[in-house]
Amino acid sequence: DTGVSQNPRHKITKRGQNVTFRCDPISEHNRLYWYRQTLGQGPEFLTYFQNEAQLEKSRLLSDRFSAERPKGSFSTLEIQRTEQGDSAMYLCASSLDRGSSYNSPLHFGNGTRLTVT
Amino acid sequence: KNQVEQSPQSLIILEGKNCTLQCNYTVSPFSNLRWYKQDTGRGPVSLTIMTFSENTKSNGRYTATLDADTKQSSLHITASQLSDSASYICVVSLGSYQKVTFGTGTKLQVIP
Repeated sequence: DTGVSQNPRHKITKRGQNVTFRCDPISEHNRLYWYRQTLGQGPEFLTYFQNEAQLEKSRLLSDRFSAERPKGSFSTLEIQRTEQGDSAMYLCASSLDRGSSYNSPLHFGNGTRLTVT
Repeated sequence: KNQVEQSPQSLIILEGKNCTLQCNYTVSPFSNLRWYKQDTGRGPVSLTIMTFSENTKSNGRYTATLDADTKQSSLHITASQLSDSASYICVVSLGSYQKVTFGTGTKLQVIP
């Protein structure tokens, strides 16, 4: 399967614990995005990378959240001191950007569902 | 306030019937608009993409329309199947660096 892969699929953690999610994008894709989705809502943008550079972060991404893409391939999203409000589906997507004239679709993984108890 | 509004919020139709989902947006500047299908517990999958100059685009039983003047798009599903049950999300992209704004989606349920 050459799609976007996310691990783990599900994570249950206690409030105050740290969690880390991993995303492996489609190999030739240079852009990688993180989104958060709560029940009945569309995905909300968190951050995106162009290769290894983190180019934009949403205001939703508090100081407890950090994302990395060290070699421009896989990415990790870490949440420190989790809160119950962090419970959501965390989606990763990747795309191939060839400049402003090419609009590559986002290819999503199946997400990591986080439950904070 | 979400700049991409979808209606209806949810819809139940009988198998074999047609339906139309609506998307209104205020996002500007407009680059392209996509419809995604999201099955429960899975990530969204792109169905169609439309740029500013396109009015209609089809993908099998899915037909999307776009009116850039009124900033409205619709997704028409023909001869619905049980597997069409999913959330359908309208996504509008801005400018040249593909910043996207997602609608809240329409949850479609097709029943036998």
